[in-house]
Amino acid sequence: QVQLVQSGAEVKKPGASVNVSCKASGYTFTSYAIHWVRQAPGQRPEWMGWINAGNGNTKYSQKFQGRVTITRDTSATIVYMELSSLRSEDTAVYYCARESGGDYYFDHWGQGTLATVSS
Amino acid sequence: DIQMTQSPSTLSASVGDRVTITCRASLTFSTWLAWYQQKPGKAPRLLIYKASSLASGVPSRFSGSGSGTEFTLTISSLQPDDFATYYCQQYHPYFRTWAFGQGTKVEIK
Repeated sequence: QVQLVQSGAEVKKPGASVNVSCKASGYTFTSYAIHWVRQAPGQRPEWMGWINAGNGNTKYSQKFQGRVTITRDTSATIVYMELSSLRSEDTAVYYCARESGGDYYFDHWGQGTLATVSS
Repeated sequence: DIQMTQSPSTLSASVGDRVTITCRASLTFSTWLAWYQQKPGKAPRLLIYKASSLASGVPSRFSGSGSGTEFTLTISSLQPDDFATYYCQQYHPYFRTWAFGQGTKVEIK
C-alpha cells in the first residue's frame, strides 16, 4: 500500500532552516509528483511547492520562492523539503502529499511534521 | 492568484441530516476541484476529485457537483464519523498553483 512517512517534529530558532523528509513506499516513486503543504494552527492548508520525482523538476509557490527547496533521492525514495530564514509565522504542520497521476489532487498524505519556530 | 471561498465556515447538524457545503473560486476554469476531510491532528483525507468523482473507499453518502466557479460537497445522511472540517482544493492551470478553501467545520447540533 502507498505510504508516505515523514521525519519527526522540529524546534528551530528564528533565522534557522528546517529540513523535513518524506519516505515514499508502495508505488513506483519516479512516476508521481510529491507536493509539500503546510498548515498553521487553525488555518487552511497552504500549498508550498512540488517536485517531479522522475526528473527532479520543481515549482514553488511565489510566497515561498527563495526560501524553500525541494529535492529527492530516487535510490532511497525520499523527498526533502528545506525552508530557510525561519520566522515565528512558519510554525506549522508540514505535510508531503502525492499527486494523483496528472489530475491535480492529492491522493495520499504523510502524517505531518510539526515545525515550531521559537526563540 | 486563486481565491477559494467556502460557505458556511461552521455548520451545526444532527446525525441523519443532509449537509451541503459550497466552494466558490475567484477565477473560472476547469473542474480540477477536490474535497478533503480533516480530523484534529490528522492529515487531510481525499473524498472527491475532479469535482464529482468519489475517491476509493469513500462512502457513497458523499457526493460532489459543480463547474466553473461554484462547487458543492453534499453528505446525504450525516453520520457520527463525519463530524470534521472539510476543505476544497483547486488547481489553476495557467499559474500552475494549488489553493485550498478556508474550511467548513461540521459540528454536532
